[in-house]
Amino acid sequence: NAGVMQNPRHLVRRRGQEARLRCSPMKGHSHVYWYRQLPEEGLKFMVYLQKENIIDESGMPKERFSAEFPKEGPSILRIQQVVRGDSAAYFCASSQRQGTTYEQYFGPGTRLTVT
Amino acid sequence: DAKTTQPNSMESNEEEPVHLPCNHSTISGTDYIHWYRQLPSQGPEYVIHGLTSNVNNRMASLAIAEDRKSSTLILHRATLRDAAVYYCILRAVRLAGYSTLTFGKGTMLLVSP
Repeated sequence: NAGVMQNPRHLVRRRGQEARLRCSPMKGHSHVYWYRQLPEEGLKFMVYLQKENIIDESGMPKERFSAEFPKEGPSILRIQQVVRGDSAAYFCASSQRQGTTYEQYFGPGTRLTVT
Repeated sequence: DAKTTQPNSMESNEEEPVHLPCNHSTISGTDYIHWYRQLPSQGPEYVIHGLTSNVNNRMASLAIAEDRKSSTLILHRATLRDAAVYYCILRAVRLAGYSTLTFGKGTMLLVSP
């Protein structure tokens, strides 16, 4: 059973460009979470999605960031008009069900560098 | 979410046991205690979780204080591969029925050969 897959692993964008980060959850998992890790800091929750629904986006910046998890295909985290402060590692996690006893499985992350 | 407090770093020698402490004095009755670890340049990895009783799995043991205000993650024989940042996380179910993970700074475990 393949784990959570993220691509690209490394992404370099110039200021003002768009960044698209993809996440394929583990097989059978319908819950996807995105986290951001700034250099030398812990992970911060961004958004929680189920198929075709955003459940909780309380950690997402209000502007330029959006996320989706379509019926078919991977979850996408989209950052428009990137700025240097967006440089970070972005991790996706998936779980089989929601709730406090279900572990989240993390992908290897996408490291975004904005030049 | 209730807060956890962990030491910034700890050191261990290879093949010795390691006890990683976590204080969570404001834990509520329904909060589960989860531990994740993050190896360098990788995503976090689930280690173990518990509610009230001590728990064991193939990776580690979790000892939970009787009053639940603290817990200890125990690695029985540290290996070099165990060098990572260990996060102690309290998970509570929100009103909508789901929970997310709130990561603190964690404890960086250094393992020497």
